[in-house]
Amino acid sequence: GAVVSQHPSWVICKSGTSVKIECRSLDFQATTMFWYRQFPKQSLMLMATSNEGSKATYEQGVEKDKFLINHASLTLSTLTVTSAHPEDSSFYICSAIRGRSSYEQYFGPGTRLTVT
Amino acid sequence: AQKITQTQPGMFVQEKEAVTLDCTYDTSDPSYGLFWYKQPSSGEMIFLIYQGSYDQQNATEGRYSLNFQKARKSANLVISASQLGDSAMYFCAMREGPSGGYQKVTFGTGTKLQVIP
Repeated sequence: GAVVSQHPSWVICKSGTSVKIECRSLDFQATTMFWYRQFPKQSLMLMATSNEGSKATYEQGVEKDKFLINHASLTLSTLTVTSAHPEDSSFYICSAIRGRSSYEQYFGPGTRLTVT
Repeated sequence: AQKITQTQPGMFVQEKEAVTLDCTYDTSDPSYGLFWYKQPSSGEMIFLIYQGSYDQQNATEGRYSLNFQKARKSANLVISASQLGDSAMYFCAMREGPSGGYQKVTFGTGTKLQVIP
C-alpha cells in the first residue's frame, strides 16, 4: 500500500516556540492532504485541507495564523504550530489522497507534540 | 447534527466470532465516500474498507465487509472470524466534496473493540 511518513514522530518543545511537522507521501503524488489532531481517547478532528499550490482551507475554530500549513509540492505538506502553548499538546496526524479522482486516503503515523 | 454517529463506545467479541460495528451518517451531498479505519494503541490509522455512494454492491476486503444501506444512511462494518489482533479502536469516516476540490472529512467518535480469547 501507499506510504505516508511524518516527521518527527514525537517532539517536546517549550511554550512560546514554534514546531514544524512534515508530512510526506513517499510513493505517490498527493494533490490533497489533510491535517488532523486527536486528543487522548477521542476522535480525529479535521483541522485543515491542503491542496497543492493553493492556500489551505481551515475548519471552523482553527486559527490559521497559529497553525500554518504549506503544501509546496505534490509530496510534502508541513504544519507549523507557532507560539506553542501547553493546550496545543496533542497527536497530529496527516493524510494524503492519491491522485485527483481517487478515494484512497492514506494516513501518516502521527506526531505527538508535547508543549511544556 | 452529527455527521457520523457511532453509537457503540465499546464492544466485546469472542475470538473467531463475527462482530458488527455500527455507523450512521448524515449528508445532503449526493457524492460521498464512507471509510472504516482501525487505530491500534500505536496510534497509526489503518485503512480497512471504502464504500462509494454510487457503488451498487457492498464493499468487501478479506474479513471486512461493509453493510451499506443507503436509504437508512448506515454503513456498518462487519468483521468475520475475529482475531486477537483485531482489538483496537475503529473509526467510521465520511468524505464529502468533489474530487480535486475542497473535500471535507468527518470522523465518528469511534468504537473500541476488544476480542476475548
